Amino acid sequence: SYELTQPLSVSVALGQTATINCGGNNIGSKHVHWYQQKPGQAPVLVIYRDSSRPSEIPERFSGSNSGNTDTATLTISTAQAGDEAEYYCQVWDSSSVFGGGTKPTVL
Amino acid sequence: QMQLVQSGAEVKKPGVSVKVSCKASGYTFTDYYIHWVRQAPGQGLEWMGWVNPNSGGTSYAQKFQGRVTMTSDTSISTAYMELSSLRFDDTAMYYCVVGVDGTAWFDPWGQGTLITVSS
Repeated sequence: SYELTQPLSVSVALGQTATINCGGNNIGSKHVHWYQQKPGQAPVLVIYRDSSRPSEIPERFSGSNSGNTDTATLTISTAQAGDEAEYYCQVWDSSSVFGGGTKPTVL
Repeated sequence: QMQLVQSGAEVKKPGVSVKVSCKASGYTFTDYYIHWVRQAPGQGLEWMGWVNPNSGGTSYAQKFQGRVTMTSDTSISTAYMELSSLRFDDTAMYYCVVGVDGTAWFDPWGQGTLITVSS
């Protein structure tokens, strides 16, 4: 079955850029979606179809999925303390697959 | 705006079934799929399947085949997920979520329903 790999955590200085990777075999051939989940809350969609952003999501959130690598990326610019949450990537293979989640720590 | 409101938390004994409801509002219920995703305590997200309220069609993750039934009632814009033969490791938060179709992204999510399996 298809698997998505995410780092458990990343560190980012306040105001700097956080990069969260999502690895999968030939992931560039799939659409990648990203969700943010804060403690005790339901997940929220932050990026869909690799790089599209729902209207209510700040422009600081962006996504990419190059066809040349096996990695998709969620980028959080000007990181804030409020960005500390679990972030999950998701794709469709024969079924929906989620990555294990990454939590950025804003220092 | 699109909104999903789920039924309340339940405690169940092993071996019985549970049925969770998910009431939709703010959109035409038959225009979108309803997916179900669960999350065990401290763990990640796990997709369970979907129901298409327009046709009644369903698709289930292989892991849950034979144990899950997803239905919908268009007259009250409500979807249901029934999980049978509950086990301790079915203890989780269960979310319903809107999908444009059977393979799209998930947005929005219901608030979640905590199902605890305990003897």
